[in-house]
Amino acid sequence: EIVLTQSPATLSLSPGERATLSCRASQSVSSYLAWYQQKPGQAPRLLIYDASNRATGIPARFSGSGSGTDFTLTISSLEPEDFAVYYCQQRSNWPPGYTFGPGTKVDIK
Amino acid sequence: QVQLVQSGAEVKKPGASVKVSCKASGYTFTSYDINWVRQATGQGLEWMGWMNPNSGNTGYAQKFQGRVTMTRNTSISTAYMELSSLRSEDTAVYYCARARIGYFDLWGRGTLVTVSS
Repeated sequence: EIVLTQSPATLSLSPGERATLSCRASQSVSSYLAWYQQKPGQAPRLLIYDASNRATGIPARFSGSGSGTDFTLTISSLEPEDFAVYYCQQRSNWPPGYTFGPGTKVDIK
Repeated sequence: QVQLVQSGAEVKKPGASVKVSCKASGYTFTSYDINWVRQATGQGLEWMGWMNPNSGNTGYAQKFQGRVTMTRNTSISTAYMELSSLRSEDTAVYYCARARIGYFDLWGRGTLVTVSS
C-alpha cells in the first residue's frame, strides 16, 4: 500500500508570501497525484491533477510539480482566501483505491 | 447546475446502521464513479470505497470491508453508502465525490453522522 507523507504539517506565512508544500509517496505513483484545498466547514476542492494540471477555475498562482515519489504544490503569492488545509492524493492500481496524505495547514503568521 | 446533494445529518446508536444518499444532477450519473470519503472532526480525509453507477460494481477499502455497502438507483441518479455496526469512531462527516481518472473533481457538501449512546 502506498503511503503519502506531507510536510510541513503547518506552514505559517503572511499574505503575499510564497508557499511551498511537499508530498512524498512511499513508492512511485508516476504523475498520478492530485492536490486539494479544504477550508473549515467545506468540502475539499480539487486544485491540481496529474501532478501539474490546474483544475477548472483554479487561479494561476497555484502550481504543481513533480513525478515519481516527490511532489510540490506552490502558491506563488498567498491571498487571504488561501489560508486552508491542503491534501495530496494518489490513486493506486493495487490494491485498487485512493490514498490521501495527512494534510498541510497553511495559516496566517 | 452540476452538483452532488447529500442527505441530512444522522444520529445513530452504537451497533446501528446508517444509509447516506448522494443525488447527482447536471451531468450523466452513469458516466463517472462515485466515491465516499469520510473525515472525523479535526482529522484528515479517509477514502472508503468506490461504485460504478453504470455497472453497480464496487470496491471498498480494506478497513471497511464487510461493513460498508455502496449502491445506486439510476432512475433517480442517486448513490447510497450504508455503514453497519456503527461505533463511536465512525462519527464523522461523510462525503460523496465524483471520480475522473484518478481524482475527485466534484464533491457533495458532506453528511454528519454522529454515533452516540
